[in-house]
Amino acid sequence: AQKITQTQPGMFVQEKEAVTLDCTYDTSDPSYGLFWYKQPSSGEMIFLIYQGSYDQQNATEGRYSLNFQKARKSANLVISASQLGDSAMYFCAMREIANAGKSTFGDGTTLTVKP
Amino acid sequence: DTAVSQTPKYLVTQMGNDKSIKCEQNLGHDTMYWYKQDSKKFLKIMFSYNNKELIINETVPNRFSPKSPDKAHLNLHINSLELGDSAVYFCASSQGEGRRPGNTIYFGEGSWLTVV
Repeated sequence: AQKITQTQPGMFVQEKEAVTLDCTYDTSDPSYGLFWYKQPSSGEMIFLIYQGSYDQQNATEGRYSLNFQKARKSANLVISASQLGDSAMYFCAMREIANAGKSTFGDGTTLTVKP
Repeated sequence: DTAVSQTPKYLVTQMGNDKSIKCEQNLGHDTMYWYKQDSKKFLKIMFSYNNKELIINETVPNRFSPKSPDKAHLNLHINSLELGDSAVYFCASSQGEGRRPGNTIYFGEGSWLTVV
């Protein structure tokens, strides 16, 4: 089974609207971390937000928030007030202590923000 | 100041050649990684070093050999390049090898390798 699943290969959103990018994960490790990265067309990988498995509250970083539902094993990224510069590929990733801290990445979601 | 820098950014080379990609991080991290991103954008870890010791070695051909002269540097040497090696190779670093899952991995800008 895939450890990280991003079911939306591509998403469109109107500028200034909010968008949710889905991510589900599979692990039996009680201690893990979930990350989201942004990869614009220029190619670099930019860290956006982190959620720990023991964190009680959902993580937020500016316009980014992580909707963490532990029982459902989902860690969706919410981008509020989308901007044209948000058009990029977004990767969800998980790090498990039991797996030597190895990070596993999802296949990514391409987000296009329309003016 | 670039936190994780890798060179070269672009590399076009012929099949059969040997090439190296260098990586340096100035974040003071003790763990460094090499990732490969293929043409479909799938991102896979190749190697991980913690304090110059190899801790993750995924199933990659032994033509790929990482070398870590110190904990701030992790180079990737590729022998006898093949067409399928064409990809973007990312160097990355983090503090801690994963005992704390919240240690963020920071990526370099990528090295775009094209084998012709």
